[in-house]
Amino acid sequence: ETGVTQTPRHLVMGMTNKKSLKCEQHLGHNAMYWYKQSAKKPLELMFVYNFKEQTENNSVPSRFSPECPNSSHLFLHLHTLQPEDSALYLCASSPELVVFPDTQYFGPGTRLTVL
Amino acid sequence: AQKVTQAQTEISVVEKEDVTLDCVYETRDTTYYLFWYKQPPSGELVFLIRRNSFDEQNEISGRYSWNFQKSTSSFNFTITASQVVDSAVYFCALSEAGAGNMLTFGGGTRLMVKP
Repeated sequence: ETGVTQTPRHLVMGMTNKKSLKCEQHLGHNAMYWYKQSAKKPLELMFVYNFKEQTENNSVPSRFSPECPNSSHLFLHLHTLQPEDSALYLCASSPELVVFPDTQYFGPGTRLTVL
Repeated sequence: AQKVTQAQTEISVVEKEDVTLDCVYETRDTTYYLFWYKQPPSGELVFLIRRNSFDEQNEISGRYSWNFQKSTSSFNFTITASQVVDSAVYFCALSEAGAGNMLTFGGGTRLMVKP
């Protein structure tokens, strides 16, 4: 089974819809991350969780709401999005947040299109 | 502040050619880690290598090799005898020790290997 899975792989939604992205890791890790990858922009870190606690919110608009019920699962709840939110949303995990950086392992991403 | 620059946005080579992808970084920390990831068309970022700032030994893994030079703040990646399957976007990333595992990514280099 692949280490980090994401569902759905593709999502099209209207600006008034509410949807959720799901990420699951099977690596026994304790830190999980959401990244946004837009066309022609570097990968942007959105949120970080360590042992289910949010440790980083990189000035993300409140229309993105993360949830981490346990160390294996991470959700990104979406509501009233804008067309500029269309992007590839990547989830990643690493053993845990420590002083020396660990390798992050990424999922395949969810390609989101907001109409 | 940390910064990663990948000046080559796109490279095209013919199969079996060698190709080098450049990565230049900026950091004020003396302890940091550098990474390379590969992103094939499927979207998933695949981890390739992680090096710390105290280990300047070059590394070779099959057709892949990495040249880390602190004097020029560069961490270049060479693919020897390129293959069509190497076609992907390659990202260089930097993480400073004590930065909570935050990765700063370069803009990526799209490599196209033609048969």
